[in-house]
Amino acid sequence: ETGVTQTPRHLVMGMTNKKSLKCEQHLGHNAMYWYKQSAKKPLELMFVYNFKEQTENNSVPSRFSPECPNSSHLFLHLHTLQPEDSALYLCASSQEGRNNEKLFFGSGTQLSVL
Amino acid sequence: AQTVTQSQPEMSVQEAETVTLSCTYDTSESDYYLFWYKQPPSRQMILVIRQEAYKQQNATENRFSVNFQKAAKSFSLKISDSQLGDAAMYFCAYKVVDMRFGAGTRLTVKP
Repeated sequence: ETGVTQTPRHLVMGMTNKKSLKCEQHLGHNAMYWYKQSAKKPLELMFVYNFKEQTENNSVPSRFSPECPNSSHLFLHLHTLQPEDSALYLCASSQEGRNNEKLFFGSGTQLSVL
Repeated sequence: AQTVTQSQPEMSVQEAETVTLSCTYDTSESDYYLFWYKQPPSRQMILVIRQEAYKQQNATENRFSVNFQKAAKSFSLKISDSQLGDAAMYFCAYKVVDMRFGAGTRLTVKP
C-alpha cells in the first residue's frame, strides 16, 4: 500500500450520468494530482492541486470537474462523458518543497463510458 | 514542451537474465529529476528508481540500475537477475515542476 486510496475501483456509466471519483491520501502530503491513463499513450496530467489550490489544468474538458476540499482529499466529478473518456484514472500525491520529488499513486479507477 | 519517449512498447527477458529498457527525454532545463515506475497488474504505480540530474553517479537499487547520459538525454533502466515478479509495465518519467511520463514498456519475464 502506498497510502493513497482511490474509490471506486471500477465504474461503468452512461453518457448522461453524473458520477464522482474519490481519492484520499494518508501521507500528510501537500500536493495531489489526477492523471488519465489510456492504452499505449503516456499518462496525461489532468489537474494539480498544491496546498488545496489548483495550480494546473491541462486543457481538460469541462465535463471533468476537480474538487479538493482539504489537503487529504481529492475528487473528480464527471458529467456528460464521451466514450473516448474511458480510461484508467490515477490519483497521486507528493510532498512538494522538501526535495522529495516522487509521487505516490493510488490503484486507479477503471472507467468505462457506454 | 517536455516529452518522454520509450521506444520499446514490449520487451521480453528470460528469468535470471538481464534486460535494459530505453528512455529518452527532451528538455531545455538543466536541473530536473528522472524516475522509473513499475505498474503491475494491480495497477498501482510503484517507484523503482530515481535520479537527480545534477548527480553524475548512476542510481542503483538492488537489482535495478540506470544509465544516465545527460548530454544525450537518455535514461535507461537495467534489471539484473530478472524475476517473474518483475513482469509489469515500466514507465519512465521526468520532472521539473510536474511529472511527465512516457507511454510505457511492457516487460514479460519467461520462466
